[in-house]
Amino acid sequence: GQSLEQPSEVTAVEGAIVQINCTYQTSGFYGLSWYQQHDGGAPTFLSYNALDGLEETGRFSSFLSRSDSYGYLLLQELQMKDSASYFCASPPRGTGFQKLVFGTGTRLLVSP
Amino acid sequence: DGGITQSPKYLFRKEGQNVTLSCEQNLNHDAMYWYRQDPGQGLRLIYYSQIVNDFQKGDIAEGYSVSREKKESFPLTVTSAQKNPTAFYLCASRSGGTNNEQFFGPGTRLTVL
Repeated sequence: GQSLEQPSEVTAVEGAIVQINCTYQTSGFYGLSWYQQHDGGAPTFLSYNALDGLEETGRFSSFLSRSDSYGYLLLQELQMKDSASYFCASPPRGTGFQKLVFGTGTRLLVSP
Repeated sequence: DGGITQSPKYLFRKEGQNVTLSCEQNLNHDAMYWYRQDPGQGLRLIYYSQIVNDFQKGDIAEGYSVSREKKESFPLTVTSAQKNPTAFYLCASRSGGTNNEQFFGPGTRLTVL
């Protein structure tokens, strides 16, 4: 099986930096994706780490360490609009990229 | 504009009735997916299809059925056998690109009374 664990909630203030962690138990790991979902909305793709290291896209960065079975999403210069739920996701072993398993999700609350 | 449409946004049904949720995409994607999301929870895979006329069960397929007669369409039927059907249902498609990105529709919130 495969499971991806995340903290349930993280709070921060505008302008700050926040890190959302994702730990996983799986083998044959195919990389880690991150999605953002505002309340009542559709998830939208943020990033994908196929290999170890840091991927940067504007204010958002994502990191993966396969040896530690761990990844994180880093959000810088937080804005109120960043308040949302964030999910890590990965393909289960043996499925190639046919499907994704999603983490439990982290609700980020940004305050003024 | 290219994208995924789901209709309706909100749907109410009486217990014991089957209901079909619509999902259409004009992105020319081969793969399509149905997820269920309960309040405060992650996304759980119901069914997925890699190509027309083929589909596979996901993790929570019991009480659901799908068809894939056209590349653009992947309707989901919630049957009366689904014990707790009230949930937010999300349809997605995948481009097949190297980043394995899935594109989601706006979702249908189903309430069974």
